[in-house]
Amino acid sequence: AQRVTQPEKLLSVFKGAPVELKCNYSYSGSPELFWYVQYSRQRLQLLLRHISRESIKGFTADLNKGETSFHLKKPFAQEEDSAMYYCALRQRDTGFQKLVFGTGTRLLVSP
Amino acid sequence: DTEVTQTPKHLVMGMTNKKSLKCEQHMGHRAMYWYKQKAKKPPELMFVYSYEKLSINESVPSRFSPECPNSSLLNLHLHALQPEDSALYLCASSQQGSGSSGTQYFGPGTRLTVL
Repeated sequence: AQRVTQPEKLLSVFKGAPVELKCNYSYSGSPELFWYVQYSRQRLQLLLRHISRESIKGFTADLNKGETSFHLKKPFAQEEDSAMYYCALRQRDTGFQKLVFGTGTRLLVSP
Repeated sequence: DTEVTQTPKHLVMGMTNKKSLKCEQHMGHRAMYWYKQKAKKPPELMFVYSYEKLSINESVPSRFSPECPNSSLLNLHLHALQPEDSALYLCASSQQGSGSSGTQYFGPGTRLTVL
């Protein structure tokens, strides 16, 4: 079965510190992976996806098929990065329709 | 218009009530989704509609009844709910097809409380 694992429920860092939110997946096919973010009192929104290989708000994530990981990184955390972050995998065997979410990591950036 | 809208924002209902949640998007997306999100948990997929047809039902109890009247609207009809059904109900939409980006756009949710 497809699974997305985010081992940390809470990650607390100081402003300016590097951040790495871990995501591991298990999937027999070729995965499509996403990071979604939910800021306080805001809707869930896409942060980035591995296909586009982009950097959004200073965040990057590289798909490592050997380690089955898609960790989210930012070199210098900002207070406004505090939010809930979900890693998600798009399943090809359901016609690309189904997203499987990890359990989420709450990032808290302190001043 | 690049947003998914949901009404109502909050809903309180008794176990014998019948109510409906509504979702609307005007981005031309042909896939629409209902998710249930409990506090401090990730969204759990309930239903997927593709081209206005139900394509995925994640073994959701029949007291939840989805409906897609047209390509822009998605409803979730509620009847005889239980207190454990209290949650945030999220609607999402996306482009349809293997060549699509896969990005799902989420609404703000309806906070449902069942008494």
